[in-house]
Amino acid sequence: DAGVTQSPTHLIKTRGQQVTLRCSPKSGHDTVSWYQQALGQGPQFIFQYYEEEERQRGNFPDRFSGHQFPNYSSELNVNALLLGDSALYLCASSLRTGVGTDTQYFGPGTRLTVL
Amino acid sequence: AQSVTQLDSHVSVSEGTPVLLRCNYSSSYSPSLFWYVQHPNKGLQLLLKYTSAATLVKGINGFEAEFKKSETSFHLTKPSAHMSDAAEYFCVVSSPSGGSYIPTFGRGTSLIVHP
Repeated sequence: DAGVTQSPTHLIKTRGQQVTLRCSPKSGHDTVSWYQQALGQGPQFIFQYYEEEERQRGNFPDRFSGHQFPNYSSELNVNALLLGDSALYLCASSLRTGVGTDTQYFGPGTRLTVL
Repeated sequence: AQSVTQLDSHVSVSEGTPVLLRCNYSSSYSPSLFWYVQHPNKGLQLLLKYTSAATLVKGINGFEAEFKKSETSFHLTKPSAHMSDAAEYFCVVSSPSGGSYIPTFGRGTSLIVHP
C-alpha cells in the first residue's frame, strides 16, 4: 500500500514565478492538508481540502491556493513567489472524522527554493 | 487561541538512558495532542495521540506521554534510548476554533543519542 506521495521532490524557482506542487493521499483517505516547514521550524498549516473544497485555512495569503480532484489527490499553487516562500512543503492525508482527532499521514515533502 | 511550546530545542542522551522531551500547551478548549517524529529526508510519523481518553498514552517504539491538565503539559518519554531514536520530534495541539480544527506544531526538539 503506497503511502502519501509528493512531486516533485525538489524545485528551484525565481522570485515572481508561480509553482504547483502535487500530492497523492494514502489509499482510503479523503482529506488532504498542506503545511509549510521553514528551516529549523515546525510545520505551519496552510489549508485542508475535503470533498474538493477548502475546509480550513491557516494564516497564509491568497497567493497560496489549492485544489482537490475527484480521486482525492491535491495540488498546492503559489503565485508571485517570494524569497520567504523557500521551505519544505508537506502534504498530509487523513480520513475525516470532523472532531480534530484525525491521524494524519505525511508525505516526504517538496523542497522549494526561491532565488 | 492555542499554542504549543517545546521547552528544549536539543536534548542529548546516551544510548540506553531515559528520554524526556517536554511540551507545554495552551488551549481554550479540551485539546487533542499529538507527538510526531521526523527523521532526515523522511515524512513525519505519528508516535502517539491523546484524545480525552486515558491520560497516559502509549505509542510506537516504546514511547509514551502523559496528559497533565493542571500543568498543561504533554511530555514524551521513553525508558531506554536507541540510536535509531535520533530525530526531530514535534508536539502538536489541535482544538476547535470557529468550528474548525487547525493543528499547531511546536518548533521541534532535536534528540541526539550518543553511543
